[in-house]
Amino acid sequence: GENVEQHPSTLSVQEGDSAVIKCTYSDSASNYFPWYKQELGKGPQLIIDIRSNVGEKKDQRIAVTLNKTAKHFSLHITETQPEDSAVYFCAALDSWGKLQFGAGTQVVVTP
Amino acid sequence: ETGVTQTPRHLVMGMTNKKSLKCEQHLGHNAMYWYKQSAKKPLELMFVYSLEERVENNSVPSRFSPECPNSSHLFLHLHTLQPEDSALYLCASSQVLFEAETQYFGPGTRLLVL
Repeated sequence: GENVEQHPSTLSVQEGDSAVIKCTYSDSASNYFPWYKQELGKGPQLIIDIRSNVGEKKDQRIAVTLNKTAKHFSLHITETQPEDSAVYFCAALDSWGKLQFGAGTQVVVTP
Repeated sequence: ETGVTQTPRHLVMGMTNKKSLKCEQHLGHNAMYWYKQSAKKPLELMFVYSLEERVENNSVPSRFSPECPNSSHLFLHLHTLQPEDSALYLCASSQVLFEAETQYFGPGTRLLVL
């Protein structure tokens, strides 16, 4: 089955700097990769996603890249702000249509 | 109310108690899910319902019992839980079964088993 690894588990960045979170997956049949942001006291919220037929997608300050050959995908947050502090999860849609999640990255943006 | 709501938001129970978690979705979705979220671990899918019919039970112990009386409501009945069951329990819904793009999560119920 699908196995998703996510790194790092914690990430501290200075406000204004960039943050990068990386995930790898094992099932070459996976074709959909969403990213979720979970703020304290809330459920995960979809922030951006990418399908396997594209290599990069951008939405304002966040972008996701996908390398199908290497089976890894990354989330990039530029010009980080304090409100970007949260736990971020990557996920991959497995062959059965179920989402398999990474273990999460705690991002702390310090002023 | 909009989106996916869950009650209670926090729950403390002893190992001999019986309690229930409630989830309600206001999105007109046809599929609902229970996930378990433990610290520093991936979300674990527990149960899946599509049009009130259970379609998935991922080897979850029988001390967790789901119920889906209609497509808008989902319950998780808890009985004789163990301390290792302490976690955040997330409910989610999607427009159709396993449609990840339309999957929305509720805020979760933080459960502590003493």
